[in-house]
Amino acid sequence: AQKITQTQPGMFVQEKEAVTLDCTYDTSDPSYGLFWYKQPSSGEMIFLIYQGSYDQQNATEGRYSLNFQKARKSANLVISASQLGDSAMYFCAMRDGGGGSQGNLIFGKGTKLSVKP
Amino acid sequence: DTEVTQTPKHLVMGMTNKKSLKCEQHMGHRAMYWYKQKAKKPPELMFVYSYEKLSINESVPSRFSPECPNSSLLNLHLHALQPEDSALYLCASSRTGGRSSYEQYFGPGTRLTVT
Repeated sequence: AQKITQTQPGMFVQEKEAVTLDCTYDTSDPSYGLFWYKQPSSGEMIFLIYQGSYDQQNATEGRYSLNFQKARKSANLVISASQLGDSAMYFCAMRDGGGGSQGNLIFGKGTKLSVKP
Repeated sequence: DTEVTQTPKHLVMGMTNKKSLKCEQHMGHRAMYWYKQKAKKPPELMFVYSYEKLSINESVPSRFSPECPNSSLLNLHLHALQPEDSALYLCASSRTGGRSSYEQYFGPGTRLTVT
């Protein structure tokens, strides 16, 4: 069965510093996608970054990068130069690529990031 | 445009009321989803529509009734809800198919309170 694990319920980071949010996953499907979403207190889930299981390079999107270690089944999110607006809940999610899949996302429990001024 | 809209933003309803949540997207996505999210928890999938047909119902009680009138709209009809149904209801959409790269785009959610 597929599973996403986020072991950090809460994290603090100083403004302008980098922070790493951990995510490990488990799946028997060779084709899968890994996603990170940000959820501010307003509630909207904001898509941040995607990493495919066959991608050779780590994904990057602006200040967000994904440290993908396939053998360890980890997909950690790195936020560089943290800003106060980065304070939010962050969810790691996985979707398998099986034939006929509806593409359902499986979410981790989330990590609440607080950026200190 | 990657926008998914949801109305209303907030809803308070009694246990005997009937209400509906609405979701709309104009990205040409043919898969649409309803999620329920309790405080400090991840979203839980409720329903999936693919090409306007219900493809997944995650054993959701019948007091929640989804409807997909066309490829851009998704409704969730509510009737005889319980206080424990109070939550944030999120709508999402994505491209269809087995590709694992198809990200889901979420709306801002409807905060539902059942009194």
